[in-house]
This record gives sequence, structure tokens and C-alpha cells, in this order.
Amino acid sequence: QKEVEQDPGPLSVPEGAIVSLNCTYSNSAFQYFMWYRQYSRKGPELLMYTYSSGNKEDGRFTAQVDKSSKYISLFIRDSQPSDSATYLCAMSEKDSSYKLIFGSGTRLLVRP
Amino acid sequence: DADVTQTPRNRITKTGKRIMLECSQTKGHDRMYWYRQDPGLGLRLIYYSFDVKDINKGEISDGYSVSRQAQAKFSLSLESAIPNQTALYFCATSDGAGGTEAFFGQGTRLTVV
Repeated sequence: QKEVEQDPGPLSVPEGAIVSLNCTYSNSAFQYFMWYRQYSRKGPELLMYTYSSGNKEDGRFTAQVDKSSKYISLFIRDSQPSDSATYLCAMSEKDSSYKLIFGSGTRLLVRP
Repeated sequence: DADVTQTPRNRITKTGKRIMLECSQTKGHDRMYWYRQDPGLGLRLIYYSFDVKDINKGEISDGYSVSRQAQAKFSLSLESAIPNQTALYFCATSDGAGGTEAFFGQGTRLTVV
């Protein structure tokens, strides 16, 4: 079993839809939870970051962490064609290495 | 100029050849990482380095070696390339503070034939 599981998609939605992206994990030591966005032929870029449990909102994006269920989510409101990308969840333990463990990524397509 | 620069961007090499991928950064970060990305598998950590004298193996280090020539430079070598090392390779840096953000290069697409 992989430490981090993520549905690869692809997920296709119409412009303006609410998008829900999810990851589950098995390592209870994970403390840092991140979402990276990766456009085609580019490196990943940090989109959202959450420490421990709770919610965090940034514009149209909301990240949620439920450590009791080992489940994290990213919600995108009023999705735009420019949101079309691969979304990778990533997690790390609170140790000195800060190694990131990534999900496999979900490919999102927002149709105009 | 990009903060994290990888060279080359694309490379085709033959089985058994030695190849080096290079990474340089202007972020001033101490921590540097090499990841490979395969379809359906996400990014997996190959090696990471905290400073010039500190090199650590990651999840999938077999068949790879690294060199940290300076704080700003971190190279990945494939001593004898094999076809299943065909992948997209990313270098990343972080300042290690709270493990919040890793900055990635544009990637090197390597094909071993």
C-alpha cells in the first residue's frame, strides 16, 4: 500500500463548477500537508499549505485536513479553464529532513 | 532567470551510457532534492542534501548517485543508464523552515533507449 493515495483522474468539469480533490494517507506521523499544482511541461508549484488539522482558505481555494480520518481535500470554487492542471498532494513528517511524500496527482480539465 | 535551473531540459541516451543531470539554484537554500516523476506514480525522492557535506538516500536511490559541488549546485548521475530510468526528473530546494515549500526546477525529460 502506498503511503499517499490519490485518484489520478482525469477529472473534467465545466467552467464555474466546484471541484473537489482528495488524498488519503496511512502515516499518522505526517504533520505538514500541501497541495502543488503542475502545469504541463512545468515543475510543481505550491498552491496551499496546512499544518496539522483544520481548514485554510485562499481566494477560490480551500484546503481541509482531517487527521482522524487521514484524509485531505482541496476545493476549488468557480473553477476556470486556467485551473486545468495536475494537482499533487504532498505530506511530510515533523522531522529534520522535511522529505515530501507525494500522491500520484489528479489531472483536472476545466471546460470553457 | 529561474530560481532553480536544470540542464539539460531534454536528453535521449543509450542503455549503458553514463549521464549527468545538473541543477543550480539562486534561492540561497541549503536543502536540495532530486525527484523522479512517472505517470501514475507521482514524484518519488531519489536523493536529498542538507549541505555540501550531507548527502542522504531517498526512496529510490539504486542506480543513481549525486554530487553537491556547492551550496547552489546539486548533480544527479546515472552511472549506467537503463530503459526503466526513462522519466521526468525534478530538482527542488527548500529552506527547511517548517517544511513548508519546495521550489522546483522545470524538469529534465530523460529517455533511455
